Amino acid sequence: DAGVIQSPRHEVTEMGQEVTLRCKPISGHNSLFWYRQTMMRGLELLIYFNNNVPIDDSGMPEDRFSAKMPNASFSTLKIQPSEPRDSAVYFCASRLLAGTYNEQFFGPGTRLTVL
Amino acid sequence: AQSVTQPDIHITVSEGASLELRCNYSYGATPYLFWYVQSPGQGLQLLLKYFSGDTLVQGIKGFEAEFKRSQSSFNLRKPSVHWSDAAEYFCAVGPKAAGNKLTFGGGTRVLVKP
Repeated sequence: DAGVIQSPRHEVTEMGQEVTLRCKPISGHNSLFWYRQTMMRGLELLIYFNNNVPIDDSGMPEDRFSAKMPNASFSTLKIQPSEPRDSAVYFCASRLLAGTYNEQFFGPGTRLTVL
Repeated sequence: AQSVTQPDIHITVSEGASLELRCNYSYGATPYLFWYVQSPGQGLQLLLKYFSGDTLVQGIKGFEAEFKRSQSSFNLRKPSVHWSDAAEYFCAVGPKAAGNKLTFGGGTRVLVKP
C-alpha cells in the first residue's frame, strides 16, 4: 500500500512568492494533519481535518497560511506571500478515525526554502 | 492542557550499549502514549504505543517502553543499540477521544558511536 504522499519533496522559492504544498493521505484514512518542523520550534501541528472538515487551525501561524481539503484524497497547504522564516520541513500525516486512537502515518515531508 | 517533556536533547551511546530515552507528560486523564522515530531526511515512524493494560509495551526494532502512571513517564528503552538506531525520537500524548490531536515532545537526538 502506498503511504502518505507529499509533493513536492523540495521547494525553493523567493520571498513574496506563493507556495502550495500537496498531500495525498492513505486511502481510507479520514483524518489529516499538517505539521511544520524547524530546529528552533520542533514539530508543530498547524491544522488538522476530520472527514475533510478543519477541526483545529490554532497552530496556523498567520493569515498567510491556508489549508484546504476538497476531498478525502487530497489536501493543500498554501503560503501566500512566503517569507524566509517559513523555511522548514512540512509534514502531512493521516490516520483512521475509529473507536480507539489509531496512529498517525507521516509522509516524507516537503523541505521548503524561502530565499 | 496536555504537554510532553523530553529532558534530553542529545544522547550519545556506544554501539551495543543500552539506551533509555526519557519522556514525561502532563495530562488530566489516562493518556494514549506514543514513541515515534525520525531517521535523517525521513518522516516519523511509529515505534510503539500504549493505550491500556500491560504497562510494558513492545515495539518494532527491539524497542520497549514502560508506562509509569505515578511518575507520569513513558520511557523508551533498547538493550543493545545498533548504528542504524541513530535518529531523532519523539514522544507524544493523545487523548482517548479518537478525533483529537497528538502533542509531541521536543525530541531526543541519538548519536551512536562505533
